[in-house]
Amino acid sequence: AQKITQTQPGMFVQEKEAVTLDCTYDTSDPSYGLFWYKQPSSGEMIFLIYQGSYDQQNATEGRYSLNFQKARKSANLVISASQLGDSAMYFCAMREGGGKLIFGQGTELSVKP
Amino acid sequence: NAGVTQTPKFRVLKTGQSMTLLCAQDMNHEYMYWYRQDPGMGLRLIHYSVGEGTTAKGEVPDGYNVSRLKKQNFLLGLESAAPSQTSVYFCASSYSSLEAFFGQGTRLTVV
Repeated sequence: AQKITQTQPGMFVQEKEAVTLDCTYDTSDPSYGLFWYKQPSSGEMIFLIYQGSYDQQNATEGRYSLNFQKARKSANLVISASQLGDSAMYFCAMREGGGKLIFGQGTELSVKP
Repeated sequence: NAGVTQTPKFRVLKTGQSMTLLCAQDMNHEYMYWYRQDPGMGLRLIHYSVGEGTTAKGEVPDGYNVSRLKKQNFLLGLESAAPSQTSVYFCASSYSSLEAFFGQGTRLTVV
């Protein structure tokens, strides 16, 4: 069954350091996509990065990179050089070929000055 | 571009009342989704649609119905509201393989 798991309810990181947010998934569909979203305290959902199941290279978008380990079914988000504005909830999500898009429970990231 | 628009943004209902939440997108997206967000629970999928005239159940469909009569609109209905349906509701839309765009959310309180 399609499943997404984020095991870190909360994380702290020092400003300017890198942080990794964990995400594991389960699916029997060979075609799927993995997404990360940011939700600041204002509530909107902001798309960060996407990785397709057939992509050979890890996705990168500015300070965000996705560490995709297909055999381990993990899709961890790495944020480099953390900024105070990175403090937010972060959600991992997966969509299978049939279109169903589900989310993990989220990780609350706090960046310390 | 308006993107994804949810109506209303806030609503208070009495137990047993009914209401419809409207989601409208102007990006010609095939896929549309309804989620509810509760503290500590992340976003849980209620129902979704992969095209006009189609709907499918998500993770928490009980107590909700949906319709997608037009490609740009996805309606979420609560026939008899319960306090357990107090939540923030998000609508989203996407092309089949790309990221989903979200509305601003609807805060619903059932008393």
